[in-house]
Amino acid sequence: GAVVSQHPSWVICKSGTSVKIECRSLDFQATTMFWYRQFPKQSLMLMATSNEGSKATYEQGVEKDKFLINHASLTLSTLTVTSAHPEDSSFYICSARTSGRSTDTQYFGPGTRLTVL
Amino acid sequence: QKEVEQDPGPLSVPEGAIVSLNCTYSNSAFQYFMWYRQYSRKGPELLMYTYSSGNKEDGRFTAQVDKSSKYISLFIRDSQPSDSATYLCAMKYTSGTYKYIFGTGTRLKVLA
Repeated sequence: GAVVSQHPSWVICKSGTSVKIECRSLDFQATTMFWYRQFPKQSLMLMATSNEGSKATYEQGVEKDKFLINHASLTLSTLTVTSAHPEDSSFYICSARTSGRSTDTQYFGPGTRLTVL
Repeated sequence: QKEVEQDPGPLSVPEGAIVSLNCTYSNSAFQYFMWYRQYSRKGPELLMYTYSSGNKEDGRFTAQVDKSSKYISLFIRDSQPSDSATYLCAMKYTSGTYKYIFGTGTRLKVLA
């Protein structure tokens, strides 16, 4: 149980284009999903927290107009990187918080590697 | 000072060794402590979840929390080459926020 999927797992795009990344909780409902960014050999950097049906809460320094987050259902959240530039190249990971379980913890997706040319 | 400190390694051990991974933290408000394993180019996988002080065992893994010292540990017994990965500790405040604070991760290499 507690499986989270991400799609795509790997994407290359040209500078200036937008890229959408999907995060799905496959066997549980996730009232809260998180989006992280990870640079090589570094830890996870929380970008934003999204709750189903409401606006995402962005961490300090994260541009909300550049990283659009939509959490339309209890099993799906999307991150859209708008007008991507090479400095946006990174590993993006989502996680989903379980609800109604004793552990109340986050389960992570496999990540999406974005390369902007 | 970072809220959570973790030695980045790499830590190399021979197969079969007992591995000890540690994190220290500065905020006594942390109540929930997690250990995640992350293979290269993959998402983190939850290994252990503990609340407050004490020990928790699951197979070859044992998690310890010492809140008085603000110190948590993950022990891996009979380490295997397949245990080679980066191990991240994570902490959460008392209920009311779901935000995790992660350590930088320790790279572990188990040599066959």
